[in-house]
Amino acid sequence: AQSVTQLGSHVSVSEGALVLLRCNYSSSVPPYLFWYVQYPNQGLQLLLKYTSAATLVKGINGFEAEFKKSETSFHLTKPSAHMSDAAEYFCAVRPNQAGTALIFGKGTTLSVSS
Amino acid sequence: DAGVIQSPRHEVTEMGQEVTLRCKPISGHNSLFWYRQTMMRGLELLIYFNNNVPIDDSGMPEDRFSAKMPNASFSTLKIQPSEPRDSAVYFCASSFSGREYGYTFGSGTRLTVV
Repeated sequence: AQSVTQLGSHVSVSEGALVLLRCNYSSSVPPYLFWYVQYPNQGLQLLLKYTSAATLVKGINGFEAEFKKSETSFHLTKPSAHMSDAAEYFCAVRPNQAGTALIFGKGTTLSVSS
Repeated sequence: DAGVIQSPRHEVTEMGQEVTLRCKPISGHNSLFWYRQTMMRGLELLIYFNNNVPIDDSGMPEDRFSAKMPNASFSTLKIQPSEPRDSAVYFCASSFSGREYGYTFGSGTRLTVV
């Protein structure tokens, strides 16, 4: 079965530092991959998605992610963290079987200190 | 578009009572999903509709849970009778049915069963 694993349930960075949130997937065929962000007391918001076009995907709020088939990874990065980036981030995979829904990772909480 | 609309935002009920959560998906979306989020279990898919038809309800915890989608613009999730362990945030999401589409989430209903 396809799945995603997010390494690190909590990541802390200083404002202005690089943000790196890790996601690895398991899939026998190229998957569709997504990153979502959840701010406190809100629903999840789509940040970006990989759908087999360009391997480097740019999203909202300055985030980007690179699909690396050899490493089965889809890590999320941002060159310079802002205080407003503090939130929970979820990686998700859409299995390639018909009639299946997104499978989410357990999430990574990002804290940003000044 | 107003996005995915869920009601109520908060619900506090006594154990044994019936609870009904409501969702209005984005107009034109033909897939609808109910998720439950808790600290212990993260995001769990409860049920998934495509063109108003339930496709996968394997995540529904037990017979106390039921979901309906009588038309393309409305869905309900009912818990009867409710139990304290049902306390969670329940999210509704909608999308187009293709695998390349991400989901749009509602703001969620925070359910507390006392």
